Amino acid sequence: QSALTQPASVSGSPGQSITISCTGTSSDVGGYNYVSWYQKHPGIAPKLIIHDVTNRPSGVSNRFSGSKSGNTASLTISGLQAEDEADYYCSSYTGSSNVVFGGGTKLTVL
Amino acid sequence: QVQLQESGPGLVKPSQTLSLTCTVSGGSISSDDYYWSWIRQPAGKGLEWIGRIYTSGSTKYDPSLKSRVTISVDTSKNHFSLKLSSVTAADTAVYYCARESYSSSSYLDYWGQGALVTVSS
Repeated sequence: QSALTQPASVSGSPGQSITISCTGTSSDVGGYNYVSWYQKHPGIAPKLIIHDVTNRPSGVSNRFSGSKSGNTASLTISGLQAEDEADYYCSSYTGSSNVVFGGGTKLTVL
Repeated sequence: QVQLQESGPGLVKPSQTLSLTCTVSGGSISSDDYYWSWIRQPAGKGLEWIGRIYTSGSTKYDPSLKSRVTISVDTSKNHFSLKLSSVTAADTAVYYCARESYSSSSYLDYWGQGALVTVSS
């Protein structure tokens, strides 16, 4: 199965909001409310920041929020901070009971 | 607090078998609520899900790797393992183990720190 499609990079200034998209198909993103988002800093394991499209794990800042429309899920980060600079990956459950990741998006805080 | 730790050789020769173990602490690998998964990230590339195992031994693998992958579990040692056969340079990556929710949500909430495996002669 193909990886989910994410923009290669996004950028924003401190205090601004940015949105990262994650596009799949009706067999993954569009077919289930099982999209997750991960934050990955270099050399550090990925950190779960959103699951089930909109749910934040305990301890994750409420500046992170998720949504979905059709085959596209989105991650919004509000009030950008320097420490938000990282790579972000979406993932989805698939109809084959697998997990598929997006290609990743590099967020630069200007 | 659940912790996962990968271990295994950092260098594997082409055509040989890559073997890694993930030891789980702070929680039981026999829990009914979780799968135990492997994910990898080649240098400069994105995350790739390899597969998962349940405490019962039931497995699921990514179709692109299915013919070469075996994931097993040892509940007595609270660890699970990955074997990837016939490796090539394309299998060079940081390999992560992680806990995956058993529900269809399939989110990965605890990760190991990652183990770099290089395939080279």
